[in-house]
Amino acid sequence: SQTIHQWPATLVQPVGSPLSLECTVEGTSNPNLYWYRQAAGRGLQLLFYSVGIGQISSEVPQNLSASRPQDRQFILSSKKLLLSDSGFYLCACATSGNYEQYFGPGTRLTVT
Amino acid sequence: KNQVEQSPQSLIILEGKNCTLQCNYTVSPFSNLRWYKQDTGRGPVSLTIMTFSENTKSNGRYTATLDADTKQSSLHITASQLSDSASYICVVSHSNTGTASKLTFGTGTRLQVTL
Repeated sequence: SQTIHQWPATLVQPVGSPLSLECTVEGTSNPNLYWYRQAAGRGLQLLFYSVGIGQISSEVPQNLSASRPQDRQFILSSKKLLLSDSGFYLCACATSGNYEQYFGPGTRLTVT
Repeated sequence: KNQVEQSPQSLIILEGKNCTLQCNYTVSPFSNLRWYKQDTGRGPVSLTIMTFSENTKSNGRYTATLDADTKQSSLHITASQLSDSASYICVVSHSNTGTASKLTFGTGTRLQVTL
């Protein structure tokens, strides 16, 4: 079964600073990968998903971007963080033919 | 608009008691419904997943039901334990495109099991 790694686990960054969150997957190949954000008291919001290397679909226009440089690596980035970017960021993966999405442990981002 | 509403928002029960969490959805086209358990500060973990043709599914002390006609689902927890304290999230998939499915998440029910 697949294992999803995310780092860092927690991050405190000032407004206007850059961001890079990394997600890697083990135990599967050619997965679909997803980035979600969970704000306090709200449901998970899909930010980006990818069905293959270099293929990124954005769900919500914002100052974040995503990249998939390798099959099992998914990166979430920002050039300049906003206060509203604070939240809990989750990476998820799903394998072909399986409707199940498996989530990573998450990254808690606080923008100050 | 695709929406998933859960109730109650929060719940406190005594250890050993049963409880039922509710989920109502307006999602089209419906693909499947999932219940996840999310411990504080952790990623969600899948409990059950049900397609249109399934109306009940169990995972240990967790039993989920689905009424596709009324667009309602429930999660029943039997003989609750302290470790059941978590948020329970109802998620509905509204795509038939397999693994690139789009999910609509409820805001969750926060369950606290006490002694």
